[in-house]
Amino acid sequence: AQKVTQAQTEISVVEKEDVTLDCVYETRDTTYYLFWYKQPPSGELVFLIRRNSFDEQNEISGRYSWNFQKSTSSFNFTITASQVVDSAVYFCALSGRGYGGATNKLIFGTGTLLAVQP
Amino acid sequence: GAVVSQHPSWVICKSGTSVKIECRSLDFQATTMFWYRQFPKQSLMLMATSNEGSKATYEQGVEKDKFLINHASLTLSTLTVTSAHPEDSSFYICSARTGKNSNQPQHFGDGTRLSIL
Repeated sequence: AQKVTQAQTEISVVEKEDVTLDCVYETRDTTYYLFWYKQPPSGELVFLIRRNSFDEQNEISGRYSWNFQKSTSSFNFTITASQVVDSAVYFCALSGRGYGGATNKLIFGTGTLLAVQP
Repeated sequence: GAVVSQHPSWVICKSGTSVKIECRSLDFQATTMFWYRQFPKQSLMLMATSNEGSKATYEQGVEKDKFLINHASLTLSTLTVTSAHPEDSSFYICSARTGKNSNQPQHFGDGTRLSIL
């Protein structure tokens, strides 16, 4: 079975602080994909990053960075120098390979609400 | 790129009304579209997966006669909530993906807030 756990329900930080959002996943697939999405108060989900299971290189994009560790089945997301506009719910998601043309679903975590105070 | 448009954004209607929600991929062809439901402060719950030209695959517990899905073209999928009741009030979100393989990200519409009085 596939599962994504985001143990942090809510995090509150003050602007300019760094914050790390945790994501732990479970899967028996050897090939899988991990995603992070942002859902601001307006409701739309914004795609942030995709990582495949064979690529353990960490990635940095501006103030965002992601740490993928297969050994601990984690795919954590760090925002440095947080800003008020970062306030949103962040979802981590997992998808398997989808053999034989089968459509494969995204399994979402329960999300972490990040509140950045000015 | 990868813009998904969902319409309408808000719907308020009386109990018993049927409501149609449209999901369009504006700048790419979406072989696969997904419909989710999200309750306040909860995660997204997948309702169904639809591939263009074929019947939708519904998740366990989702009534296919209640939530009719049509994916008639590579850029349009519709969800019709038939004879809606207050318990159907929720935030409905569609997503679209090119191809059937899960290595491609899903791109989401802005969602539809449905309120049944």
